[in-house]
Amino acid sequence: AQTVTQSQPEMSVQEAETVTLSCTYDTSESNYYLFWYKQPPSRQMILVIRQEAYKQQNATENRFSVNFQKAAKSFSLKISDSQLGDTAMYFCAFSGAGSYQLTFGKGTKLSVIP
Amino acid sequence: EAGVAQSPRYKIIEKRQSVAFWCNPISGHATLYWYQQILGQGPKLLIQFQNNGVVDDSQLPKDRFSAERLKGVDSTLKIQPAKLEDSAVYLCASSWENTIYFGEGSWLTVV
Repeated sequence: AQTVTQSQPEMSVQEAETVTLSCTYDTSESNYYLFWYKQPPSRQMILVIRQEAYKQQNATENRFSVNFQKAAKSFSLKISDSQLGDTAMYFCAFSGAGSYQLTFGKGTKLSVIP
Repeated sequence: EAGVAQSPRYKIIEKRQSVAFWCNPISGHATLYWYQQILGQGPKLLIQFQNNGVVDDSQLPKDRFSAERLKGVDSTLKIQPAKLEDSAVYLCASSWENTIYFGEGSWLTVV
Protein backbone atom coordinates (compact mmCIF):
# COMPACT_ATOMS: atom_id res chain seq x y z
CA ALA A 1 0.00 0.00 0.00
CA GLN A 2 1.11 3.52 -0.70
CA THR A 3 1.61 6.15 1.98
CA VAL A 4 2.03 9.89 1.64
CA THR A 5 3.54 11.98 4.42
CA GLN A 6 3.39 15.72 4.82
CA SER A 7 5.44 16.65 7.85
CA GLN A 8 4.49 20.33 8.05
CA PRO A 9 0.96 20.77 9.46
CA GLU A 10 1.14 24.55 9.11
CA MET A 11 3.35 27.08 7.38
CA SER A 12 3.30 30.80 6.78
CA VAL A 13 5.02 33.05 4.26
CA GLN A 14 5.16 36.75 3.59
CA GLU A 15 3.44 38.00 0.48
CA ALA A 16 5.80 38.00 -2.55
CA GLU A 17 8.20 35.59 -0.85
CA THR A 18 8.92 31.95 -1.74
CA VAL A 19 7.83 28.94 0.27
CA THR A 20 8.46 25.20 -0.09
CA LEU A 21 6.06 22.52 1.11
CA SER A 22 7.45 19.05 1.76
CA CYS A 23 6.06 15.65 0.83
CA THR A 24 7.48 12.16 0.99
CA TYR A 25 5.86 8.96 -0.17
CA ASP A 26 6.39 5.25 -0.07
CA THR A 27 5.57 2.83 -2.85
CA SER A 28 6.85 -0.32 -4.48
CA GLU A 29 5.51 0.69 -7.89
CA SER A 30 7.89 1.88 -10.58
CA ASN A 31 5.43 3.95 -12.57
CA TYR A 32 3.13 6.41 -10.86
CA TYR A 33 1.93 9.99 -10.71
CA LEU A 34 2.28 12.64 -8.03
CA PHE A 35 0.05 15.64 -7.51
CA TRP A 36 -0.33 18.75 -5.45
CA TYR A 37 -3.89 19.90 -4.80
CA LYS A 38 -4.98 23.18 -3.23
CA GLN A 39 -8.08 23.28 -1.03
CA PRO A 40 -9.38 26.73 -0.07
CA PRO A 41 -12.05 27.15 2.63
CA SER A 42 -14.72 26.31 0.05
CA ARG A 43 -13.29 22.75 0.26
CA GLN A 44 -13.04 22.23 -3.51
CA MET A 45 -9.86 20.37 -4.42
CA ILE A 46 -8.05 22.28 -7.15
CA LEU A 47 -5.23 20.66 -9.08
CA VAL A 48 -2.04 22.72 -8.81
CA ILE A 49 0.54 20.57 -10.53
CA ARG A 50 1.25 16.97 -11.47
CA GLN A 51 4.40 14.94 -12.12
CA GLU A 52 4.84 11.66 -13.98
CA ALA A 53 7.40 9.47 -12.21
CA TYR A 54 9.04 8.42 -15.47
CA LYS A 55 9.87 12.03 -16.35
CA GLN A 56 13.11 13.34 -14.89
CA GLN A 57 12.27 16.96 -15.60
CA ASN A 58 10.53 18.72 -12.75
CA ALA A 59 7.05 20.00 -13.56
CA THR A 60 6.34 23.73 -13.49
CA GLU A 61 3.11 25.67 -13.69
CA ASN A 62 3.52 29.44 -13.59
CA ARG A 63 4.55 30.30 -10.00
CA PHE A 64 4.39 26.67 -8.89
CA SER A 65 7.18 24.16 -9.38
CA VAL A 66 8.17 20.84 -7.89
CA ASN A 67 11.40 19.22 -6.82
CA PHE A 68 10.94 15.53 -7.59
CA GLN A 69 13.60 13.25 -6.15
CA LYS A 70 12.58 9.73 -7.18
CA ALA A 71 15.32 7.87 -5.34
CA ALA A 72 14.57 9.72 -2.12
CA LYS A 73 10.79 9.46 -2.75
CA SER A 74 10.45 13.15 -2.18
CA PHE A 75 8.10 15.57 -3.96
CA SER A 76 8.19 19.14 -2.68
CA LEU A 77 6.18 22.10 -3.96
CA LYS A 78 7.73 25.54 -4.35
CA ILE A 79 5.48 28.56 -4.57
CA SER A 80 7.22 31.70 -5.83
CA ASP A 81 5.97 35.26 -5.42
CA SER A 82 3.34 34.12 -2.91
CA GLN A 83 -0.04 35.80 -3.17
CA LEU A 84 -2.83 36.21 -0.65
CA GLY A 85 -4.97 33.91 -2.78
CA ASP A 86 -2.50 31.10 -2.20
CA THR A 87 -3.74 30.80 1.38
CA ALA A 88 -5.24 27.30 1.58
CA MET A 89 -4.66 23.71 2.57
CA TYR A 90 -2.24 21.94 0.25
CA PHE A 91 -2.42 18.19 -0.21
CA CYS A 92 0.21 15.98 -1.76
CA ALA A 93 -1.25 12.91 -3.48
CA PHE A 94 -0.04 9.70 -5.12
CA SER A 95 -1.63 7.66 -7.88
CA GLY A 96 -0.44 4.35 -9.23
CA ALA A 97 -0.25 4.19 -13.00
CA GLY A 98 -2.78 1.39 -13.18
CA SER A 99 -5.27 2.30 -10.47
CA TYR A 100 -5.83 6.02 -11.04
CA GLN A 101 -6.79 6.27 -7.37
CA LEU A 102 -5.41 9.03 -5.20
CA THR A 103 -3.80 8.50 -1.80
CA PHE A 104 -3.54 11.80 0.04
CA GLY A 105 -1.29 13.14 2.75
CA LYS A 106 -2.77 14.92 5.75
CA GLY A 107 -2.19 18.34 4.27
CA THR A 108 -0.25 21.51 5.04
CA LYS A 109 -2.11 24.68 5.96
CA LEU A 110 -0.41 27.60 4.24
CA SER A 111 -1.06 31.17 5.29
CA VAL A 112 0.20 34.07 3.18
CA ILE A 113 0.75 37.13 5.34
CA PRO A 114 0.32 40.60 3.83
CA GLU B 1 -15.84 23.14 -20.02
CA ALA B 2 -18.22 22.41 -17.15
CA GLY B 3 -16.68 20.88 -14.05
CA VAL B 4 -17.89 18.12 -11.78
CA ALA B 5 -21.31 19.06 -10.41
CA GLN B 6 -22.53 18.00 -6.99
CA SER B 7 -25.69 18.56 -4.98
CA PRO B 8 -26.77 19.39 -2.41
CA ARG B 9 -23.88 21.53 -1.25
CA TYR B 10 -24.94 21.41 2.40
CA LYS B 11 -27.06 19.01 4.41
CA ILE B 12 -27.81 18.72 8.10
CA ILE B 13 -29.59 15.59 9.30
CA GLU B 14 -30.19 13.81 12.57
CA LYS B 15 -28.46 10.53 13.32
CA ARG B 16 -30.27 7.48 11.99
CA GLN B 17 -31.79 9.51 9.15
CA SER B 18 -30.87 8.97 5.52
CA VAL B 19 -29.25 11.27 2.97
CA ALA B 20 -28.39 11.09 -0.72
CA PHE B 21 -25.81 13.01 -2.71
CA TRP B 22 -25.78 13.41 -6.47
CA CYS B 23 -22.84 13.85 -8.82
CA ASN B 24 -22.54 14.64 -12.53
CA PRO B 25 -18.98 14.16 -13.81
CA ILE B 26 -17.20 16.06 -16.54
CA SER B 27 -18.58 15.06 -19.91
CA GLY B 28 -16.75 12.11 -21.40
CA HIS B 29 -15.03 11.02 -18.18
CA ALA B 30 -15.59 7.31 -17.77
CA THR B 31 -14.14 7.04 -14.26
CA LEU B 32 -15.99 8.47 -11.28
CA TYR B 33 -14.96 8.52 -7.63
CA TRP B 34 -16.54 9.31 -4.28
CA TYR B 35 -14.19 10.47 -1.54
CA GLN B 36 -14.93 11.21 2.11
CA GLN B 37 -13.02 14.01 3.80
CA ILE B 38 -13.31 14.32 7.55
CA LEU B 39 -12.27 17.67 9.01
CA GLY B 40 -8.51 17.90 9.43
CA GLN B 41 -7.74 14.93 7.20
CA GLY B 42 -7.04 14.23 3.57
CA PRO B 43 -9.78 12.72 1.41
CA LYS B 44 -10.29 8.96 1.57
CA LEU B 45 -11.59 6.96 -1.37
CA LEU B 46 -14.98 5.34 -0.81
CA ILE B 47 -15.76 3.94 -4.24
CA GLN B 48 -14.49 4.06 -7.83
CA PHE B 49 -16.63 3.40 -10.92
CA GLN B 50 -15.52 2.72 -14.47
CA ASN B 51 -18.53 3.53 -16.64
CA ASN B 52 -21.35 1.87 -14.66
CA GLY B 53 -19.23 -0.86 -13.07
CA VAL B 54 -17.56 -0.79 -9.66
CA VAL B 55 -13.76 -0.94 -9.78
CA ASP B 56 -13.07 -0.61 -6.07
CA ASP B 57 -15.41 -0.32 -3.10
CA SER B 58 -13.15 -1.88 -0.51
CA GLN B 59 -13.33 1.16 1.81
CA LEU B 60 -17.07 1.72 1.51
CA PRO B 61 -18.94 0.88 4.76
CA LYS B 62 -21.47 -1.28 3.01
CA ASP B 63 -23.72 -1.71 6.02
CA ARG B 64 -24.79 1.92 5.70
CA PHE B 65 -23.33 3.37 2.50
CA SER B 66 -24.40 2.57 -1.03
CA ALA B 67 -23.56 4.09 -4.40
CA GLU B 68 -24.72 3.57 -7.92
CA ARG B 69 -23.99 4.83 -11.42
CA LEU B 70 -26.74 3.26 -13.44
CA LYS B 71 -26.19 4.74 -16.91
CA GLY B 72 -22.46 5.33 -16.65
CA VAL B 73 -22.84 9.08 -16.18
CA ASP B 74 -24.48 10.47 -13.01
CA SER B 75 -23.91 8.85 -9.66
CA THR B 76 -25.69 8.81 -6.30
CA LEU B 77 -24.16 8.14 -2.90
CA LYS B 78 -26.57 7.21 -0.11
CA ILE B 79 -26.06 6.91 3.63
CA GLN B 80 -28.68 5.08 5.70
CA PRO B 81 -28.77 5.23 8.67
CA ALA B 82 -26.35 8.09 9.28
CA LYS B 83 -24.02 8.17 12.28
CA LEU B 84 -22.37 11.15 13.93
CA GLU B 85 -18.98 10.07 12.53
CA ASP B 86 -20.32 10.40 8.99
CA SER B 87 -20.08 14.18 9.31
CA ALA B 88 -17.69 15.09 6.52
CA VAL B 89 -17.39 16.57 3.06
CA TYR B 90 -18.24 14.11 0.32
CA LEU B 91 -16.22 14.83 -2.78
CA CYS B 92 -17.12 13.50 -6.18
CA ALA B 93 -14.43 13.39 -8.85
CA SER B 94 -13.91 12.19 -12.39
CA SER B 95 -10.74 11.47 -14.28
CA TRP B 96 -9.17 11.82 -17.70
CA GLU B 97 -5.63 10.86 -18.69
CA ASN B 98 -4.47 10.03 -15.17
CA THR B 99 -5.65 13.32 -13.69
CA ILE B 100 -8.54 13.53 -11.26
CA TYR B 101 -10.82 16.56 -11.14
CA PHE B 102 -13.00 17.26 -8.13
CA GLY B 103 -16.38 18.83 -7.59
CA GLU B 104 -17.07 21.40 -4.90
CA GLY B 105 -18.18 18.78 -2.42
CA SER B 106 -21.28 18.11 -0.36
CA TRP B 107 -20.97 19.04 3.30
CA LEU B 108 -22.80 16.69 5.66
CA THR B 109 -23.41 17.42 9.32
CA VAL B 110 -25.03 14.68 11.38
CA VAL B 111 -26.45 15.89 14.71
